[in-house]
Amino acid sequence: DTAVSQTPKYLVTQMGNDKSIKCEQNLGHDTMYWYKQDSKKFLKIMFSYNNKELIINETVPNRFSPKSPDKAHLNLHINSLELGDSAVYFCASGQETQYFGPGTRLLVL
Amino acid sequence: QKEVEQDPGPLSVPEGAIVSLNCTYSNSAFQYFMWYRQYSRKGPELLMYTYSSGNKEDGRFTAQVDKSSKYISLFIRDSQPSDSATYLCAMDGTGGFKTIFGAGTRLFVKA
Repeated sequence: DTAVSQTPKYLVTQMGNDKSIKCEQNLGHDTMYWYKQDSKKFLKIMFSYNNKELIINETVPNRFSPKSPDKAHLNLHINSLELGDSAVYFCASGQETQYFGPGTRLLVL
Repeated sequence: QKEVEQDPGPLSVPEGAIVSLNCTYSNSAFQYFMWYRQYSRKGPELLMYTYSSGNKEDGRFTAQVDKSSKYISLFIRDSQPSDSATYLCAMDGTGGFKTIFGAGTRLFVKA
């Protein structure tokens, strides 16, 4: 039974498009996250949500808008995609110890 | 200076060797220290978790935290080819809301 799931796994799109990534966790955690992992494998936090409320926004451009409809879901919408947005995006849940999803590989052409 | 420094490697060792992975940090507010393992094209998975200073052992893995030196280590005994992965140290002082990851060390264990 998958703990943290993300869809889609792969996303290839053109510059300027808008795309969404969905995340769901069945672990009962209150806190969920979005991370970005660049080509050098550096993993950086983007957003933290606790009980559907935004806790941390790590100076992410406004083009990125997370939405948490309930505690088990945290989606990420990206407007006007740029080349530099190409990366792997990971959803996670937990708190001090976190459980990661399989990642969404985004390629912007 | 980055908050968390980790040598990206790669580190290549023969099967059966003892592996030592390390991170240093600058933020004295960090209290939670984690090691994650990430296989290629997979999400990170938690290996070890330590609160404050001290040692923790789990099978072939031992995590050490020295807060006075701002230095953490992960030791892998009797390393196996299946241990080949990227190992990420992670630290937090906010109760989990803002975890800072090291750059990750790529480890190769040769059979």
